[in-house]
Amino acid sequence: SAVISQKPSRDICQRGTSLTIQCQVDSQVTMMFWYRQQPGQSLTLIATANQGSEATYESGFVIDKFPISRPNLTFSTLTVSNLSPEDSSIYLCSVEDPGGSSYEQYFGPGTRLTVT
Amino acid sequence: QKEVEQNSGPLSVPEGAIASLNCTYSDRGSQSFFWYRQYSGKSPELIMSIYSNGDKEDGRFTAQLNKASQYVSLLIRDSQPSDSATYLCAVLSGGSYIPTFGRGTSLIVHP
Repeated sequence: SAVISQKPSRDICQRGTSLTIQCQVDSQVTMMFWYRQQPGQSLTLIATANQGSEATYESGFVIDKFPISRPNLTFSTLTVSNLSPEDSSIYLCSVEDPGGSSYEQYFGPGTRLTVT
Repeated sequence: QKEVEQNSGPLSVPEGAIASLNCTYSDRGSQSFFWYRQYSGKSPELIMSIYSNGDKEDGRFTAQLNKASQYVSLLIRDSQPSDSATYLCAVLSGGSYIPTFGRGTSLIVHP
């Protein structure tokens, strides 16, 4: 497995501003994923981030709203731009098994975002 | 459209009983199956993965897979109040690296 940390753990932001979430892993991983989980809902994949290439976004998510950086094999950031109350959610980063053999995903502790 | 279905619950069982959580999936090409536990306010934690038909046991947890019926289940023996959580089923199709998650089943184990 992997040890994953996220910062901040929670934040309250005003509408129209942006929040950047950081995700750090204790080992090198090829793939990192960003998910959103709205209250009482399951996980929705926002995008997949590979080091050295543009992130791949899922339907309904665009780069202008959710820019992602992946500067190296242990770190990624997700920015949620031009915040609205509908963006209030938990944002989770996850990584695929660092051993690369099982496709298991491991999740960070999450960032709880509230937009006022 | 790949779908993973779970009964949202809540499933309520008494302490010491067996909790049975079920999951069905639509894609016959699915090859990897995962169960995650998510406590309220926490992130999902992987507890079991299963790749071939049959049972896989890990402590009090048993995952059961039946690919012909497109069905995967999680049994929790000797359920404890600390097992109270939402259990997410995730299914990975062959050739994909992104699992499809179910909506989760809420389990309540009462003393």
